[in-house]
Amino acid sequence: GAVVSQHPSWVICKSGTSVKIECRSLDFQATTMFWYRQFPKQSLMLMATSNEGSKATYEQGVEKDKFLINHASLTLSTLTVTSAHPEDSSFYICSARDGGHPQPQHFGDGTRLSIL
Amino acid sequence: AQSVAQPEDQVNVAEGNPLTVKCTYSVSGNPYLFWYVQYPNRGLQFLLKYITGDNLVKGSYGFEAEFNKSQTSFHLKKPSALVSDSALYFCAVRDSGDDKIIFGKGTRLHILP
Repeated sequence: GAVVSQHPSWVICKSGTSVKIECRSLDFQATTMFWYRQFPKQSLMLMATSNEGSKATYEQGVEKDKFLINHASLTLSTLTVTSAHPEDSSFYICSARDGGHPQPQHFGDGTRLSIL
Repeated sequence: AQSVAQPEDQVNVAEGNPLTVKCTYSVSGNPYLFWYVQYPNRGLQFLLKYITGDNLVKGSYGFEAEFNKSQTSFHLKKPSALVSDSALYFCAVRDSGDDKIIFGKGTRLHILP
């Protein structure tokens, strides 16, 4: 149980392209999903908390116009990297929580984004 | 604000030996503590959690962790390491009054055959 699917796994695209990443909870409903960014050999950096039916809460230093988050249903959140540039290349990981506090988060397999 | 420290970047253990991956934390309220494992190019897999109750928590793949309130530690342990345990391990903490999880920087575990 508690499976989170993230798609796509790999994206390679040209600079200036917008890229959408999907995060789905397959066997549970997730009112809250989280988006992380992970740099090589580093820990996960929380980018934003996505709440179903409301605006995402962004962490300090994360550009909300650059990283658009939509959480339109209880099983789907999307992250769109707008006008991506090489410095946006990274490993993006989503997670979802099955229930409220203090349940653990369950993670997708991540999306490796490479901007040429 | 909560924080978590993993003092070791890398831990090397011979197969069959016991392993320990260290974690200490700091929170203002009651801690919720988690361990996750990450394999290359994958997301994080949940191993175990401490919320309340017994200080020794048992999780997936034979791992366990001991909550020590006085030392503010939550070390991950396994009695007998397998080569397949080689991966990146993250300790995480959430303050009972907060929604966010804070991750440690990770410890790379190498099990030597």
